[in-house]
Amino acid sequence: NAGVTQTPKFQVLKTGQSMTLQCAQDMNHNSMYWYRQDPGMGLRLIYYSASEGTTDKGEVPNGYNVSRLNKREFSLRLESAAPSQTSVYFCASSLQGTIGTEAFFGQGTRLTVV
Amino acid sequence: GNSVTQMEGPVTLSEEAFLTINCTYTATGYPSLFWYVQYPGEGLQLLLKATKADDKGSNKGFEATYRKETTSFHLEKGSVQVSDSAVYFCALSDIKAGANSKLTFGKGITLSVRP
Repeated sequence: NAGVTQTPKFQVLKTGQSMTLQCAQDMNHNSMYWYRQDPGMGLRLIYYSASEGTTDKGEVPNGYNVSRLNKREFSLRLESAAPSQTSVYFCASSLQGTIGTEAFFGQGTRLTVV
Repeated sequence: GNSVTQMEGPVTLSEEAFLTINCTYTATGYPSLFWYVQYPGEGLQLLLKATKADDKGSNKGFEATYRKETTSFHLEKGSVQVSDSAVYFCALSDIKAGANSKLTFGKGITLSVRP
């Protein structure tokens, strides 16, 4: 049972380059999320998708775009990477609308922008 | 808005010591509360949860009780092991009518346990 799968695991970009982080889940969850984790900041929500076909901004959306390609997949795109986007990125999924529902996380993508 | 406040870290303990990690929250409704754990190089995984006042979540020797009167959800373990070394996150989700129950996280605290 794969759960939430993120690719790539590591990436180094030059300032101004673009890239897409991929995320897929096989648990038939309707909600998916992208977080970034920075030292001393905890996890901050970038974007989320409550269901297929919908996306909404989270706490720190600037510099990112997302696509909910289908129920399984939710990608995060950096159009013009900046050093401030150096972080560890986590994708997560959950079953929306259920009290106490937990989120399942991928292994993370460690991104360095130089 | 919703928020979660965790005690400052890092925390270093000797094996078999007692652990308490404080967590308090602010929420407009009746949130569900969670503790997640992140082992080195891995993603987050659920450690335990509680969905209503006075509920106690427990797993792997860890416990936390949902205290509505003090808006707290402190994590405790009677005897820590080296394998408990990890980062611990307190979180809440707050379902309101029509809203997405996304998680709000605390900043996390690093626990190191010495042999």
